[in-house]
Formats: sequence, structure tokens, C-alpha cells
Amino acid sequence: EAGVTQFPSHSVIEKGQTVTLRCDPISGHDNLYWYRRVMGKEIKFLLHFVKESKQDESGMPNNRFLAERTGGTYSTLKVQPAELEDSGVYFCASSQLRNQALYGYTFGSGTRLTVV
Amino acid sequence: LAKTTQPISMDSYEGQEVNITCSHNNIATNDYITWYQQFPSQGPRFIIQGYKTKVTNEVASLFIPADRKSSTLSLPRVSLSDTAVYYCLVGDYRGNNDMRFGAGTRLTVKP
Repeated sequence: EAGVTQFPSHSVIEKGQTVTLRCDPISGHDNLYWYRRVMGKEIKFLLHFVKESKQDESGMPNNRFLAERTGGTYSTLKVQPAELEDSGVYFCASSQLRNQALYGYTFGSGTRLTVV
Repeated sequence: LAKTTQPISMDSYEGQEVNITCSHNNIATNDYITWYQQFPSQGPRFIIQGYKTKVTNEVASLFIPADRKSSTLSLPRVSLSDTAVYYCLVGDYRGNNDMRFGAGTRLTVKP
């Protein structure tokens, strides 16, 4: 089966611009997560969708970040306006609760965002 | 959320068994222990998950003592390709207690 796909793999934007990251989870996975790692820091949880509903968005840094998952399929994470400290790698992961003990979360390769 | 503590780095040689221990003193009753592996420029990859005692799969073994305040990931006969960062996570994935990553252990396997 296809894995978790993230697009783009790299993005370089200027401060103040808008960027939208996309994540296509594994088909049939109800759970979708966004994480990010900023330079030199740990991987931090951002939010968790169950189907199209936000289950937990306690990790979202501020209101410049907006995540959506329309129809419970792919998800987008928009940063508007982008700031320098938003630079980092954004990971998406998906899972299906019934087999999570065997397979855990499946992560994408990430989107490397650079704000200049 | 239970906090985890792991060694920052470890070195090993090809063919050796590597044991990475993680401390999680305030683990909750409903929490599971999960380990992930991450290579540069890739997302983390699930290795193994357990609740208590011992779990083994084709990649690794996970040892969890009765008090569950620590866990040990055991990698048999490591190779150069096992050089990566290994993360121990504690959480109840069935509820709202989503997995949080710590600093991880950077394992370097030498020839």
C-alpha cells in the first residue's frame, strides 16, 4: 500500500508569505497527526485529526497556523503569515486505531520549510 | 503526559547487541510504550510497542519490568544501517493522550 505522502518536500518562502503543506495519509486511516521539528529542537506534536474532526490541537503554536482535513481524507496545514521561527521540518503521520499496536503511526518524509 | 529520559547517544560495533533504556517514572496505567527509529531526512519509523513484560518482533525486542517505570529496546546484531536516532514514547494512543517525542538516542554503529 502507498505510504503517507507529503507535498512539497521542500519550500522556501519569504517572511510574511503564506505556505500550505499537504498530507495524504494511508487510505482508510482515520487518525492523522501533524508534528514539526524546528532547528535543534525535539519533534513536537501539533495536532490530531480523527477523520475530519480535530481531536487535539493543543500543540498548535499560534493562530497563524490553520489545519484542515475536509472529508476526512487529505489534510492541509497553512501558515499565514510565515515567520522566521516557523522554519523546520513538518511531519505528518497517520494510523488506524485497531492495528496501532502492530504498526504504530506511519510517518511521511516531511516537508522542509525555510522562511527567509 | 509521561516524560521520558534516554541517553543522548550510544556507540556500538557491527554484530553486537544494543540495548537502549528509557526511563518513564510517571507512566500512567493506560499508557503504552512505543519505540521509533529515524534516519536523516526521513520521518520516524515504528519499531515496536508494548505494555508489560516482553514483546518481540522481527526487528527488535522490548523489555518492560513489572513496575513499568522503564523499558529497554534491544536490537540484535546491529549493522551499519542501524545508525539512527531512536525515540521512546509513552502514551495512551487509544484516547486523547497522543504520543510525544523526547530527545531520542543517537545510535552510531561502527565497523
